[in-house]
Amino acid sequence: QTVVTQEASFSVSPGGTVTLTCGLSSGSVSTTNYPSWYQQTPGQAPRALIYGTNIRSSGVPDRFSGSILGNKAALTITGAQADDECDYYCVLYLGDGMRLFGGGTKLTVL
Amino acid sequence: EVQLVESGGGLVQPGGSLRLSCAAAGFTFGDYWMSWVRQAPGKGLEWVANIRHDGNEKYYVDSVKGRFTISRDNGKNSLSLQMSSLRAEDTAVYYCARYESALKWWNYWGQGTLVTVSP
Repeated sequence: QTVVTQEASFSVSPGGTVTLTCGLSSGSVSTTNYPSWYQQTPGQAPRALIYGTNIRSSGVPDRFSGSILGNKAALTITGAQADDECDYYCVLYLGDGMRLFGGGTKLTVL
Repeated sequence: EVQLVESGGGLVQPGGSLRLSCAAAGFTFGDYWMSWVRQAPGKGLEWVANIRHDGNEKYYVDSVKGRFTISRDNGKNSLSLQMSSLRAEDTAVYYCARYESALKWWNYWGQGTLVTVSP
């Protein structure tokens, strides 16, 4: 069974840079998996950050960027701010209409 | 302004049924794929089902196949999820979301409705 892997947690200093990754247990992530990233604060609905690997959703600051790094999708946050502290989820398209979320990364800014 | 408002959640016994609804506004509903995504308490997000803009193509996560049915009424700008044979593991907040099919992402989300499956 295919699993989408994300770091369970990550920590970054205010003003620092962090890269979260999104992998596939069955192989490499590519643009044909259409990686997208979502930000979620407790009690709130998810908010789209990045779609189509590296396209920022409307209103998302340019300190958020998406890419493919090696065999994984990646979300990079530069100049981390306190309100970036929340959960981040990636989702991949696996074909045949199937979409699979990663388990999410809890980001701490301290 | 795009609005998605879910309703129909509540407490249901294992083996029971429940129907969720999502009222859409602020866009041409019949032009878009729609989805249900859920989140169990304290857990991550899980895609549940997608439906094509005309209702003629549907996809489900394996764990709900044969138990859940996604449907839509474009005349009423409404999306539904009929859930049957409910299990404790179906307990979650269920989100309705607008699916952008070209690049396969969710642009707009509702605030969710909580379904609790418990004796």
